[in-house]
Amino acid sequence: QVQLQESGPGLVKPSETLSLTCTVSGDSISPYYWSWIRQPPGKGLEWIGYIYYSGSTNYNPSLKSRVTISVDTSKNQFSLKLSSVTAADTAVYYCARGIEAASLGYWGQGTLVSVSS
Amino acid sequence: QSVLTQPPSASGTPGQRVTISCSGSSSNIGNNYVYWYQRLPGAAPKLLIYRNNQRPSGVPDRFSGSKSGTSASLAIVGLRSEDEADYYCAAWDDSLSGHVLFGGGTKLTVL
Repeated sequence: QVQLQESGPGLVKPSETLSLTCTVSGDSISPYYWSWIRQPPGKGLEWIGYIYYSGSTNYNPSLKSRVTISVDTSKNQFSLKLSSVTAADTAVYYCARGIEAASLGYWGQGTLVSVSS
Repeated sequence: QSVLTQPPSASGTPGQRVTISCSGSSSNIGNNYVYWYQRLPGAAPKLLIYRNNQRPSGVPDRFSGSKSGTSASLAIVGLRSEDEADYYCAAWDDSLSGHVLFGGGTKLTVL
């Protein structure tokens, strides 16, 4: 049974960097698309980006200048860094696994990250 | 504002058939597969339909997807109270080096 679990600080100060890790259990990192998606309060889903098991990445054009997604195959983890955060980045952040970029069959439970001083 | 346009709300009574639309363009729905997600209250999204009309294992056949041109639809027949949820369409978009788009979501209410 594949399981994904997000972890990281629940509170980040404005202008700082949000860092989250997704730990994968029940399967190896390859050969899938490992994605981050977020949902701001009261709003819809927003795709942040993915890293393919080979290491190639693709990001939401609106976030591209601030996002980095990386993978650590030895730990079966992949991570999200979002720099220069503002209150608009407050959201539930989900990690997910897909066989195609938009076909996300497994999701973590989500973690709420608030941006506030 | 999402490039994939969904109605913000939909409703139906138990047993009815409900459809949710998703409108896009040639760079996304018109040229790529459509996916549908269900997000029950308090839960993570769940893949409901992949590659326009395929159901993952465990998804009831009450749910079906279709695509025509630059639009897609999710149909639910035999509506049940447990179907009350938010539904999102998604697709790959070929513009700007390619990226995934989600629709704005449709809140389905079972009356």
